[in-house]
Amino acid sequence: NAGVTQTPKFQVLKTGQSMTLQCAQDMNHEYMSWYRQDPGMGLRLIHYSVGAGITDQGEVPNGYNVSRSTTEDFPLRLLSAAPSQTSVYFCASREVNYGYTFGSGTRLTVV
Amino acid sequence: DAKTTQPTSMDCAEGRAANLPCNHSTISGNEYVYWYRQIHSQGPQYIIHGLKNNETNEMASLIITEDRKSSTLILPHATLRDTAVYYCIVRPDHNTDKLIFGTGTRLQVFP
Repeated sequence: NAGVTQTPKFQVLKTGQSMTLQCAQDMNHEYMSWYRQDPGMGLRLIHYSVGAGITDQGEVPNGYNVSRSTTEDFPLRLLSAAPSQTSVYFCASREVNYGYTFGSGTRLTVV
Repeated sequence: DAKTTQPTSMDCAEGRAANLPCNHSTISGNEYVYWYRQIHSQGPQYIIHGLKNNETNEMASLIITEDRKSSTLILPHATLRDTAVYYCIVRPDHNTDKLIFGTGTRLQVFP
């Protein structure tokens, strides 16, 4: 199993650009989430999903969209990038009654 | 959602037990206590979780008080590689999966 795979690992965007952060898992997990982590801070939940076709907002959803058309994939879309979205983004998945497996993160800089 | 309170930082000598406390006084009867850790800038790593009973796995032990208002994560023989930020999280019911990370405890293991 590859676990949770995030791409790209690094990205620089200009203000106003849009992009999609990819997240894929091969463990057939129902639950998936996106977090962001700013320097020196804890993780904040952006969006999460409890199964294909079901998504919901977390603590900081503004400026981000998600979709869950398959069990494996949970992409995060930045609609119009802003410098405040400079952060490290982590995707995670889990099975019922177990802990999350996190990806290695995407380091995003918006200039 | 139940909130958790953890000390900001702790030190532990290598080879000794590290006991990390967590208060979750507003926890509900069906909410689980989860522990994760984050080493440097890596993605968080699941450690252990429990509901009412004490739990043990190859990484750690989790002691939950009888009233469930607090818990302690025990690393029985801390090593330098256990230096990390440890997060105590209360997970709400299965249908929402809105997992909120706090600021955690920074554990420094010294030689």
